[in-house]
Amino acid sequence: GAGVSQSPSNKVTEKGKDVELRCDPISGHTALYWYRQRLGQGLEFLIYFQGNSAPDKSGLPSDRFSAERTGESVSTLTIQRTQQEDSAVYLCASSLGGQGLNHGYTFGSGTRLTVV
Amino acid sequence: DQQVKQNSPSLSVQEGRISILNCDYTNSMFDYFLWYKKYPAEGPTFLISISSIKDKNEDGRFTVFLNKSAKHLSLHIVPSQPGDSAVYFCAARGRVYGGSQGNLIFGKGTKLSVKP
Repeated sequence: GAGVSQSPSNKVTEKGKDVELRCDPISGHTALYWYRQRLGQGLEFLIYFQGNSAPDKSGLPSDRFSAERTGESVSTLTIQRTQQEDSAVYLCASSLGGQGLNHGYTFGSGTRLTVV
Repeated sequence: DQQVKQNSPSLSVQEGRISILNCDYTNSMFDYFLWYKKYPAEGPTFLISISSIKDKNEDGRFTVFLNKSAKHLSLHIVPSQPGDSAVYFCAARGRVYGGSQGNLIFGKGTKLSVKP
């Protein structure tokens, strides 16, 4: 597609439920990133996929968080047993290769997750 | 511990004047710096970047300055326009405490308001 697409755009869930967030990167972009932005905070790195390499999961805050990516296409971020502190905007970005430096990453509009 | 700091949460500037957004970092291994702009309900968009081997990069009304000895960078917008009103994020790339070289570390952002 023309841009990075994320769905849903908004999600309200009850504490303890599982949620799945989806990201469709730009076609041909081999690198895909998940970030989140909690209220009043900066963008917090979660996980990074680069081609067929093992993902960098160093930013995942707990084992309740996991992410998958099918080849160089769609990625899903799953949060199990959601807690109120998981409330945030979850942003997905993609780039050509693992650099994306000259043109940066292309971000999606995000999924606003609210855990009640 | 924040490795990329934007100490001013907000900045207000008159249209036509210069906007200066500041960013400090702590890790001397960062080798690339980027600025992103974010409008409400949208994902961040890439604005301009600079390699650590340079001290200045200019693109139209936007100039980024890097002072490696002070671990400080700044974004200058001249002249400022009302459409520049947004949140500006500083980001840095580098191998950081076991993290991947692919992901960016973001500051908390500075909200710029340009008044007509």
